[in-house]
Amino acid sequence: DAGITQSPRHKVTETGTPVTLRCHQTENHRYMYWYRQDPGHGLRLIHYSYGVKDTDKGEVSDGYSVSRSKTEDFLLTLESATSSQTSVYFCAISDGGQGVDTQYFGPGTRLTVL
Amino acid sequence: AQSVTQLDSHVSVSEGTPVLLRCNYSSSYSPSLFWYVQHPNKGLQLLLKYTSAATLVKGINGFEAEFKKSETSFHLTKPSAHMSDAAEYFCVVSSYSSASKIIFGSGTRLSIRP
Repeated sequence: DAGITQSPRHKVTETGTPVTLRCHQTENHRYMYWYRQDPGHGLRLIHYSYGVKDTDKGEVSDGYSVSRSKTEDFLLTLESATSSQTSVYFCAISDGGQGVDTQYFGPGTRLTVL
Repeated sequence: AQSVTQLDSHVSVSEGTPVLLRCNYSSSYSPSLFWYVQHPNKGLQLLLKYTSAATLVKGINGFEAEFKKSETSFHLTKPSAHMSDAAEYFCVVSSYSSASKIIFGSGTRLSIRP
């Protein structure tokens, strides 16, 4: 398995509170991604990073921000959590940024917003 | 624009019988196509990928998929199902040039009957 960890693995929080999810990799891959998984939707890209301090939006970026200050860490922040952000969040990494490059996924974080 | 449709949300087969999971795609570009598998409470793992080389792609655990451009399909097959194959399977289409333009299908849950 690729060296990807996510923390926390489970979190319950209340509407309006800030939440930060962390993705940590030991593979020194340049690209990192945050997805959310919801029933009937597969995975949808939230944000991705193509290098330290280089990030861009994905398909469902509203309400989320990201930061990458080190190659190995990619943080996803919900500034003010809402119930619609209850989901399972997956981090992924890839060595290249082209569509042909395989992405390797972390174990996921289950977030519940009450 | 790209899209991907997994034609069955749930497939149930008996152990030892063939598996067919269907996927149709639409892409304005030369696509890259992937199948990922997700076991319960786990991250996604790559089964196989098509990147414009051979149209018949072999993956892990005896799975294979055939790229059919005329039918815009990329169906996943396995000759003989095993109990350990029970999982969720995702078909993914990606633009060759950018991993940020990646679309996941909604998933097919595969159940195996003893």
